[in-house]
Amino acid sequence: QSALTQPASVSESPGQSITISCTGSSSDVGGYELVSWYQQYSGKAPKLMIYDVNKRPSGVSTRFSGSKSGNTASLTISGLQAEDEGDYYCCSYAGGSTWVFGGGTKVSVL
Amino acid sequence: EVQLLDSGGGLVQPGGSLRLSCAASGFRFNTHAMMWVRQAPGKGLEWVSSITGRGDDTFYAKSVKGRFSVSRDNSKDTLYLQMDSLRVDDTAIYYCTRGRSEGAVDWFDPWGQGTLVTVSS
Repeated sequence: QSALTQPASVSESPGQSITISCTGSSSDVGGYELVSWYQQYSGKAPKLMIYDVNKRPSGVSTRFSGSKSGNTASLTISGLQAEDEGDYYCCSYAGGSTWVFGGGTKVSVL
Repeated sequence: EVQLLDSGGGLVQPGGSLRLSCAASGFRFNTHAMMWVRQAPGKGLEWVSSITGRGDDTFYAKSVKGRFSVSRDNSKDTLYLQMDSLRVDDTAIYYCTRGRSEGAVDWFDPWGQGTLVTVSS
């Protein structure tokens, strides 16, 4: 199972919006409504930010939103803040009770 | 508060074995599937294995199938990962994490703090 494709890095100024793409295939992202997104700070464990494509867990800022079109899922962060700097990973169900993550995207706030 | 505490990592030679543990607290352990996810140094996340809440079904990534074995002791609220025939490319931080329900993974939340496994001669 190949990793989902994410851009290696995204940079933007505070207050702006960014969108991170996560491209897979009809066997994973496109085939199921089970895409989730994780935020990871350096040296820390990942944290769930979005599940079921577009749902936010309790306590996650409304500035984070998710969507999907075809084989590509997206995470949008609006009103970018310094605290949003970190690595972001998408994850999708890939059938047969297996799961696949994206390669990760490093978000920098300029 | 839901907590997962990973332990058991260390330095092991290629071909060796190691058993990781994950102690859970703050929720009904047997009502959730549990998973192991690893992260090689400087690399991304990789799903390793899943087990249902009752422990009656297990699943593995191709990269570890036949070498790793996941299990759980619901009387002790503890998840395990037995790792045999370890290879250099198994070197990673191993995280335990919780799924949505007894039989469904669906998402990974929360995560343990991770335990480092280093395979080297």
